[in-house]
Amino acid sequence: AQSVAQPEDQVNVAEGNPLTVKCTYSVSGNPYLFWYVQYPNRGLQFLLKYITGDNLVKGSYGFEAEFNKSQTSFHLKKPSALVSDSALYFCAVRGALSGGYNKLIFGAGTRLAVHP
Amino acid sequence: NAGVTQTPKFRVLKTGQSMTLLCAQDMNHEYMYWYRQDPGMGLRLIHYSVGEGTTAKGEVPDGYNVSRLKKQNFLLGLESAAPSQTSVYFCASSTRPSPGGNYGYTFGSGTRLTVV
Repeated sequence: AQSVAQPEDQVNVAEGNPLTVKCTYSVSGNPYLFWYVQYPNRGLQFLLKYITGDNLVKGSYGFEAEFNKSQTSFHLKKPSALVSDSALYFCAVRGALSGGYNKLIFGAGTRLAVHP
Repeated sequence: NAGVTQTPKFRVLKTGQSMTLLCAQDMNHEYMYWYRQDPGMGLRLIHYSVGEGTTAKGEVPDGYNVSRLKKQNFLLGLESAAPSQTSVYFCASSTRPSPGGNYGYTFGSGTRLTVV
């Protein structure tokens, strides 16, 4: 069965420092991995995805994520955090096509708080 | 470029009342989904649809019904609301999964439902 784990409920970072939001996954076959961000009272917005190719994926707002197959991880990173990055971040995984329909499974979410 | 539109945005129900949440998408997406979001639990799939006239159960379908009479609309019904259904409900849509495709979802802005 597919699953996603986000081990940290909250990550606190000072503005200007690098940030990492962790995600590990379990899926049969090759994974399709996503990061979404949710600002207060808004829906989820797509940040970036890994389908195939380079392990380092670049996305919106200066975020990037590194796919590590051996560690089954897809951590979200940003070199220099902004206060405006404060939001709820969701990692999601979807199994590759295998004749059936595989839905996107979401982690519980990690709240990122960037302090001035 | 409306994307996915949910109505209403807020609603307060009394226990035992019924209501219908409407989701409309203008992207010609084949697949549509209803999620609920609760603190610390991420997004949980209630029901989904892979095409007009078809629906299927997700992780937490009890107490909900859905219908997809038109490709662009996906309705979520609560026949007899309970306080446990107090949550934020999100609708999403996606294209049919295919090699080289996007694989991601587009989300609506959510409906905040309180059952008293």
